[in-house]
Formats: sequence, structure tokens, C-alpha cells
Amino acid sequence: KNQVEQSPQSLIILEGKNCTLQCNYTVSPFSNLRWYKQDTGRGPVSLTIMTFSENTKSNGRYTATLDADTKQSSLHITASQLSDSASYICVVSAKGGSYIPTFGRGTSLIVHP
Amino acid sequence: EAQVTQNPRYLITVTGKKLTVTCSQNMNHEYMSWYRQDPGLGLRQIYYSMNVEVTDKGDVPEGYKVSRKEKRNFPLILESPSPNQTSLYFCASRYDNEQFFGPGTRLTVL
Repeated sequence: KNQVEQSPQSLIILEGKNCTLQCNYTVSPFSNLRWYKQDTGRGPVSLTIMTFSENTKSNGRYTATLDADTKQSSLHITASQLSDSASYICVVSAKGGSYIPTFGRGTSLIVHP
Repeated sequence: EAQVTQNPRYLITVTGKKLTVTCSQNMNHEYMSWYRQDPGLGLRQIYYSMNVEVTDKGDVPEGYKVSRKEKRNFPLILESPSPNQTSLYFCASRYDNEQFFGPGTRLTVL
């Protein structure tokens, strides 16, 4: 069964600090992995997409990495801001005709001033 | 502005009273889907549609119906809502492996 596990479940950091969120998956055959940011009460918004051949991709202060061999991804947030407080969701898609992505349960990040 | 809209945003209803949550997108996307989000469980796909008149079940379809009569609209129908369908619902459309989510509908079934 395809699964996506995220850790930690929740994280509290001080403004200005860095943090790293983890995503492990068992989705096969692998197509791509996306990180979404979901602000409270809003729909998720895509941050970055990783395909099999990509190891690192950045979007401003967000940097995602992918190790397709170990089936792990990380999202690193640099110099955190209060607006980074949100839930971060890892979504993995398999190759094939039907598109049924597998969602992680998310990591809830709180940035304190 | 490219967007996915949902209505209503908030709804409180009683068990057994049929309801419809509308979803509309203006990006001409072929693929649309519905999700529910519950604390500790994350987003789970209810139904999806790959094009007009083409719909299929996701992971948790029981108690829901959908229709796709035109490309832009994908309503979610609860024929006889029950309290276990109390949840936050998101509609999404997809293009090139990126999903664009609506603002969400918070449904409470008493």
C-alpha cells in the first residue's frame, strides 16, 4: 500500500531559526513529490515539486531535497518568519493512468517571535 | 484571477438533509477532485474526475456523490448527511501534476 509518513508531527521554533521537515514514502512507481503549505483555514498551496532526477530545488527560503534511493524528502526552511507558521504537507504521486496522490498527514509548524 | 471557488464556505445542517457543495474553476483544467480533511488524518480523496462525464471513486467515497456535466463545475452531493461527515472539504483542480485547491467548506452535521 502506498504510504507517506511525515515527521515531526509538530514543531515550534523561534523566528529567525532554521528547521527541517521530513517525508518518507513507499509510493511506487514514483512519479513526483510535492510539498504544499497550508495556512490555517485555507487550501494547500504548492511550494515545490521534485521528480526522480532532481536532488534539490529551492523556492526562496524553502529548499526541498529528494533521495529517490532511500525514498526520503526533506523541506528546509531558512531564517524562519512568523508567516511560515502553517501545516506543511508532502504529497507523492505514482506513475500510471489514474491520478490518486498519496498525502502525508502534515507537519504543523509554529514560529514564535 | 485563476482560482477554484467553493460554496458555501460554512454550513451547519442536520442528519439526513440533502446538501450540495459547489465547486467551480476558471482555469479550464480537465482534472478535478474532492478531499476531506480531518484532524490527525490529513487530506483524503473522496472522488475525482478526469474530464466531463468521467468520475471515479477516491479513497473515501461512501456517502458522497459527484457529477461533472461541464468542465468548470464539480459539485459534491451528500444525499443523507451523517455526523461522521462533519469535516473540512476541499475541491481542487489539477494541471501538470500541480493541484490548485479551493478555500474549503467547513461542514457540520448535527
